[in-house]
Amino acid sequence: AQSVSQHNHHVILSEAASLELGCNYSYGGTVNLFWYVQYPGQHLQLLLKYFSGDPLVKGIKGFEAEFINSKFSFNLRKPSVQWSDTAEYFCAVHTGFQKLVFGTGTRLLVSP
Amino acid sequence: DAGITQSPRYKITETGRQVTLMCHQTWSHSYMFWYRQDLGHGLRLIYYSAAADITDKGEVPDGYVVSRSKTENFPLTLESATRSQTSVYFCASSELAGATYEQYFGPGTRLTVT
Repeated sequence: AQSVSQHNHHVILSEAASLELGCNYSYGGTVNLFWYVQYPGQHLQLLLKYFSGDPLVKGIKGFEAEFINSKFSFNLRKPSVQWSDTAEYFCAVHTGFQKLVFGTGTRLLVSP
Repeated sequence: DAGITQSPRYKITETGRQVTLMCHQTWSHSYMFWYRQDLGHGLRLIYYSAAADITDKGEVPDGYVVSRSKTENFPLTLESATRSQTSVYFCASSELAGATYEQYFGPGTRLTVT
């Protein structure tokens, strides 16, 4: 079955630290990958997505992710986090018929 | 541009009662989805709909019923609420054209079953 694994459930960083959140997927078809962010008390918003082409994808708010097919990974990165990046981050893979399968999420707390 | 709205935003109900959560989108997107969000499980798909009058089960459909008589509305009904259905429910929509697969989410409904 298709699945997405996010091994970091909770991450605590200080402002200006670098961020890398892991995402591994298990899916046999054409891979379309997403990172969504959920700020406290808000709905999910798209950060970035990968469809094809350049495996390094740039998203909003300085986030980027690298698609490494040989490792089945799509890790999210940001060189320098801010307090406002405190949120929950979800990785997702498209599995057909417009459906997405989401990982369990990573809660990021950035201390000022 | 209202996007996706959900109502109510908060609901407390008792075990055994029927509850309907409403979802309305203004984009005329073909696809609509219902998810529940629980700690440790992330988002799990309950039901989805490809168009009016076309619905299908997701990962966790038991205890839920959906309908879609109009493109813009996709209500979710808990026929006889149980404590295990206490959760945050998100509605989402997606447009088939362009094959972007991106889903747009509503603000969520926090449901507590006592």
